[in-house]
Amino acid sequence: QVQLRQWGAGLLKPSETLSLTCAVYGGSFSDNYWNWIRQPPGKGLEWIGEVDHSGGANYNSSLKTRVTISVDTSKNQFSLRLTSVTAADTAVYFCARGFKDGSIIQNRRVYYYYYMDVWGKGTTVTVSS
Amino acid sequence: DIQMTQFPSTLSASVGDRVTITCRASQSISTWLAWFQQKPGQAPKLLIYKASSLQSGVSSRFSGSGSGTEFSLTISSLQPDDFATYYCQQYQSLYSFGQGTNLE
Repeated sequence: QVQLRQWGAGLLKPSETLSLTCAVYGGSFSDNYWNWIRQPPGKGLEWIGEVDHSGGANYNSSLKTRVTISVDTSKNQFSLRLTSVTAADTAVYFCARGFKDGSIIQNRRVYYYYYMDVWGKGTTVTVSS
Repeated sequence: DIQMTQFPSTLSASVGDRVTITCRASQSISTWLAWFQQKPGQAPKLLIYKASSLQSGVSSRFSGSGSGTEFSLTISSLQPDDFATYYCQQYQSLYSFGQGTNLE
């Protein structure tokens, strides 16, 4: 059974860099995508970005200039860095597995689709001076 | 970016009721849609993927339907444990979530 365990600093000052790590236990690390999602207090869910086992990443366009998601396959871990944080970055941050659902072939290219089936418990990050 | 709109934002119901939550995508996403349940202080839990496929271990009281831009989640007979917030999410083009429906 796949489990995700996450950790990182919970209190930051404005302009600092948020850094979180998620470790994957069980299952295949290479067949899936690995995601970060956040939820501000009392609000909905916002996807931050994803990374695959080779380090290929995609990001939410609204955060792209400040986000880096990286992977360490030797430890089955992936990490989130968010620079220049402000109070608006205060949220619970979740990691989640993107599990391959299916694929289509279009214009001779194969497109794969992944849904998030396993989640970490979340890490509360507060940005305050 | 694909926008997801859920309604209603709040739904009042009672144990035993049949309820339906609707989700609309700003463009066609085929059936690349998931539904999640979230309780306070917990991570979201996957209920439905590919619009209508029930995740393993999830009660058959939950069902999903739809394709293209219109989707729905139905709970056939509400149980006390079902009172939570529900989110739809598209995964046709990266990811985006609906704003949530608070079932109270």
